[in-house]
Amino acid sequence: AQTVTQSQPEMSVQEAETVTLSCTYDTSESDYYLFWYKQPPSRQMILVIRQEAYKQQNATENRFSVNFQKAAKSFSLKISDSQLGDAAMYFCAYRSLLIQGAQKLVFGQGTRLTINP
Amino acid sequence: NAGVMQNPRHLVRRRGQEARLRCSPMKGHSHVYWYRQLPEEGLKFMVYLQKENIIDESGMPKERFSAEFPKEGPSILRIQQVVRGDSAAYFCASSPVPEPLSEQYFGPGTRLTVT
Repeated sequence: AQTVTQSQPEMSVQEAETVTLSCTYDTSESDYYLFWYKQPPSRQMILVIRQEAYKQQNATENRFSVNFQKAAKSFSLKISDSQLGDAAMYFCAYRSLLIQGAQKLVFGQGTRLTINP
Repeated sequence: NAGVMQNPRHLVRRRGQEARLRCSPMKGHSHVYWYRQLPEEGLKFMVYLQKENIIDESGMPKERFSAEFPKEGPSILRIQQVVRGDSAAYFCASSPVPEPLSEQYFGPGTRLTVT
């Protein structure tokens, strides 16, 4: 079974600075999808960015980018120019492409990000 | 287009009572997923349903938990004889099709408290 590990329970960053959240995963599959979700205090899950494993190019969405290292099974999220609204729990998630498990997301434990003004 | 709706947002039940959590997927979405989030943890998959079918219930506890997604109406997650360990946030997500990159859209969650 696939597992996702986020080794940083908490992170903090000064407003306007850059922060990187770590995520590693374990799988025997060669093709899959990876996601970062944001959960603000409202608890609503918001998709931040996604990466297809077959793509070598790292995904980017405005101030959010990933560093995808397939061989190392690492998928970190970089937030540039941090804003107060970025404060939230961030979850890394894995999704299989095998038919049996293609639908469910496997989440990490989360990293609580604090933005210091 | 309204998002995924869940109700109630907060539910308090005494031990031994039944809890019913409802999820209305986004319009046009026929695939529903339920996840549970224990305090200070990530979301854990419970069950995946299509209209009138349970596709994957590998994350559902064997006893007391059941889910349905009828032809008409919302999806229901039912927990019988609740215990304190059932206290958690329960999230529903929906997608239009089960294609690989089809995004799962999450509802706001139902926070269940068992006293």
